[in-house]
Amino acid sequence: DTGVSQDPRHKITKRGQNVTFRCDPISEHNRLYWYRQTLGQGPEFLTYFQNEAQLEKSRLLSDRFSAERPKGSFSTLEIQRTEQGDSAMYLCASSSTPTSGSIHEQYFGPGTRLTVT
Amino acid sequence: DAKTTQPPSMDCAEGRAANLPCNHSTISGNEYVYWYRQIHSQGPQYIIHGLKNNETNEMASLIITEDRKSSTLILPHATLRDTAVYYCIVRLPDDYKLSFGAGTTVTVRA
Repeated sequence: DTGVSQDPRHKITKRGQNVTFRCDPISEHNRLYWYRQTLGQGPEFLTYFQNEAQLEKSRLLSDRFSAERPKGSFSTLEIQRTEQGDSAMYLCASSSTPTSGSIHEQYFGPGTRLTVT
Repeated sequence: DAKTTQPPSMDCAEGRAANLPCNHSTISGNEYVYWYRQIHSQGPQYIIHGLKNNETNEMASLIITEDRKSSTLILPHATLRDTAVYYCIVRLPDDYKLSFGAGTTVTVRA
């Protein structure tokens, strides 16, 4: 296991189409995060899972966005009826659950770059 | 509501130390200082973190001022592969998410 993987790396789609991205976290990590990054900005938090439970969704995650982690392993992020404003890099990260008083760093995948034309 | 302030860019000569400043004047007593970097077309990569004491690992050193209102990330011998955007983040122990600002774009020149 060499790290977090994401598929596809690049996706070009037409406005109005649906797209789905996949993230495979580091196998022993039970936390999984999705972030979005637009050009020139730092990543912005979208949502996170502990095992299969989705515990928080950002206001950035409109009702056209849905994320799942059905078996507590890989996760998918779906965007329905894509808009040009959805063009961005979608990053996935994973981490272990921190023990009391400690923080475990997040390991990021390479991202999926979405272009909506 | 950025918790950290970093210069937008800086240049560094290859082989020299790169000192990256970060201001976090409103940091609370139990917030950690974290540094990540993002090389072009890659996801962010964890570098180092600290609470009060200075820290060093194989990648960098982190110097936190005594009042904890600022810190400096030191790359001791910068290489061309250190060219990246560097993010300084303050974070509570139970924060599950990272709040990135715009970071500092560091360009290492030969």
